[in-house]
Amino acid sequence: KAGVTQTPRYLIKTRGQQVTLSCSPISGHRSVSWYQQTPGQGLQFLFEYFSETQRNKGNFPGRFSGRQFSNSRSEMNVSTLELGDSALYLCASSFAGGLVNTEAFFGQGTRLTVV
Amino acid sequence: DQQVKQNSPSLSVQEGRISILNCDYTNSMFDYFLWYKKYPAEGPTFLISISSIKDKNEDGRFTVFLNKSAKHLSLHIVPSQPGDSAVYFCAQNGILGIYFGSGTKLNVKP
Repeated sequence: KAGVTQTPRYLIKTRGQQVTLSCSPISGHRSVSWYQQTPGQGLQFLFEYFSETQRNKGNFPGRFSGRQFSNSRSEMNVSTLELGDSALYLCASSFAGGLVNTEAFFGQGTRLTVV
Repeated sequence: DQQVKQNSPSLSVQEGRISILNCDYTNSMFDYFLWYKKYPAEGPTFLISISSIKDKNEDGRFTVFLNKSAKHLSLHIVPSQPGDSAVYFCAQNGILGIYFGSGTKLNVKP
């Protein structure tokens, strides 16, 4: 069974640009959550998608957006990049988010560097 | 308001001794808790979980304790090994997703 796949693994962008990150969850999982981790910080929740609908959103500006497709794959977009957006972006896949008592599985993350 | 809190950002322990990582939560509605371990530049990996019908769950060197009245859980690692050095996150299942604490960085010294 394939794990959670995030692409690309590394990305370098300049300020003002936009970026799209991709996450393919484990087959059969319908919930995808996105997190940002900056040096010394914990996992900051961005948003969660379940069956193509955004169910929950963290405290991030509107420059951060996402979507989920019918095959449960999810994309995250950040527009007008700022230096402070440099971080490890993690995607977590689970069967039904928090509704079922099972764990979420994480991808290896996308390391975004904004210069 | 943060639903899951880990108040110790870091912990240093000697190899062979016990490591105790703590976590507090505010919402008692959701009754499934998890611990994840994360190495640098990798995604977190699931370590151990506990349901509120139990107050203890053990898996090898790792034991999680749940104190429902105090809304507190802890992860014990015995004996600690240098390879356990990582960031540990506690998490709670919620209706709108999984809520994570801010993490505790464990350093096990040889």
